Amino acid sequence: EAGVTQSPTHLIKTRGQQATLRCSPISGHTSVYWYQQALGLGLQFLLWYDEGEERNRGNFPPRFSGRQFPNYSSELNVNALELEDSALYLCASSFSLNYGYTFGSGTRLTVV
Amino acid sequence: QKEVEQDPGPLSVPEGAIVSLNCTYSNSAFQYFMWYRQYSRKGPELLMYTYSSGNKEDGRFTAQVDKSSKYISLFIRDSQPSDSATYLCAMSKGSGGGADGLTFGKGTHLIIQP
Repeated sequence: EAGVTQSPTHLIKTRGQQATLRCSPISGHTSVYWYQQALGLGLQFLLWYDEGEERNRGNFPPRFSGRQFPNYSSELNVNALELEDSALYLCASSFSLNYGYTFGSGTRLTVV
Repeated sequence: QKEVEQDPGPLSVPEGAIVSLNCTYSNSAFQYFMWYRQYSRKGPELLMYTYSSGNKEDGRFTAQVDKSSKYISLFIRDSQPSDSATYLCAMSKGSGGGADGLTFGKGTHLIIQP
């Protein structure tokens, strides 16, 4: 069974640009979660999508947004990039109401 | 005070030793407790999942939750060099962690010396 896949693996952007990160969940999983893992801050909850709808978001500004497609894959968009957005962005999926998540290997975003 | 506190380490122990990893938390609403292992350049991997207080054992791993003390532990028996990784505790109010996501500790970097 294929795990959670994320692309690209690495992404380098200039401050002020936009970044788009992609995630494909495990087959059969309808929920997708996005987390930011910045150095020294640990994993921070960003967004939760389920059945194509944004269900909740963490304490992040509106320039962090995304969507979930009919095939349950998801996209995270970060607009007006700032240097402090540099982090590992992790996507996870779960079958609704199941326990725990399965994480992907992440996208390393570097803003210069 | 942060919601979840975890000593970042590094914690270095000899191969074969019993490892004890711990987290404390402040929010009594947390009901579900997890331990993840994260190798360098990889995403976290779920190791243990427990609900409420008590112990749960899976192979060499034992998870312990003491809700009265707001304290959770992960024990690793017969530690191996392949156990060297960062261990993250996580907790949530709901079973799927969906409503508010999971709240993570910052992780403890564990080194098992051959």
